[in-house]
Amino acid sequence: DTAVSQTPKYLVTQMGNDKSIKCEQNLGHDTMYWYKQDSKKFLKIMFSYNNKELIINETVPNRFSPKSPDKAHLNLHINSLELGDSAVYFCASSHSDANTGELFFGEGSRLTVL
Amino acid sequence: AQSVTQLGSHVSVSEGALVLLRCNYSSSVPPYLFWYVQYPNQGLQLLLKYTSAATLVKGINGFEAEFKKSETSFHLTKPSAHMSDAAEYFCAVTPNPEYGQNFVFGPGTRLSVLP
Repeated sequence: DTAVSQTPKYLVTQMGNDKSIKCEQNLGHDTMYWYKQDSKKFLKIMFSYNNKELIINETVPNRFSPKSPDKAHLNLHINSLELGDSAVYFCASSHSDANTGELFFGEGSRLTVL
Repeated sequence: AQSVTQLGSHVSVSEGALVLLRCNYSSSVPPYLFWYVQYPNQGLQLLLKYTSAATLVKGINGFEAEFKKSETSFHLTKPSAHMSDAAEYFCAVTPNPEYGQNFVFGPGTRLSVLP
């Protein structure tokens, strides 16, 4: 069983469209994240949820809206896609325990905006 | 605020040679430090982590890292490189992993292993 799974793995769409990426973790973690990795491999956190509550909301356009229906799921919806949104988006999860707090990553969702 | 620098965006070594990937951090509080590896078209996997216990940390695949507070460093080493080690390596720091505290990642170092 995949620990952190994201769908879709690849997404190609036109500018102006709206798209969603889904993430699920079966690790029993209470914290989930969205990271964006640009073409130079730089990783930047976008959002973090702990037990369905928003904890971190970095400066991202409000076209990006995360939703956490329960602590095992964190989805990312993007409105009015722009060329600069092309990137790989990684979902991750962790447990809020200082002894085991490493991040577990999904395999990424590569978004290409044409 | 925390930050991470990784000296050398690309490191090439010969198969069998020593691997040394550098990581320096800044943190206003005792840090938790991590090394992650990313193989092509995959997510990041944890190699090892430092959480204020032993300063020399052993990880998977023969990698280890040493926390040096005086140098604010957490360099990653492996005595003998293997072709399968070719990947992107990220150092990360967080003040405290509890409750979604922000992990800050370095810019990454791409390791190439030459036959």
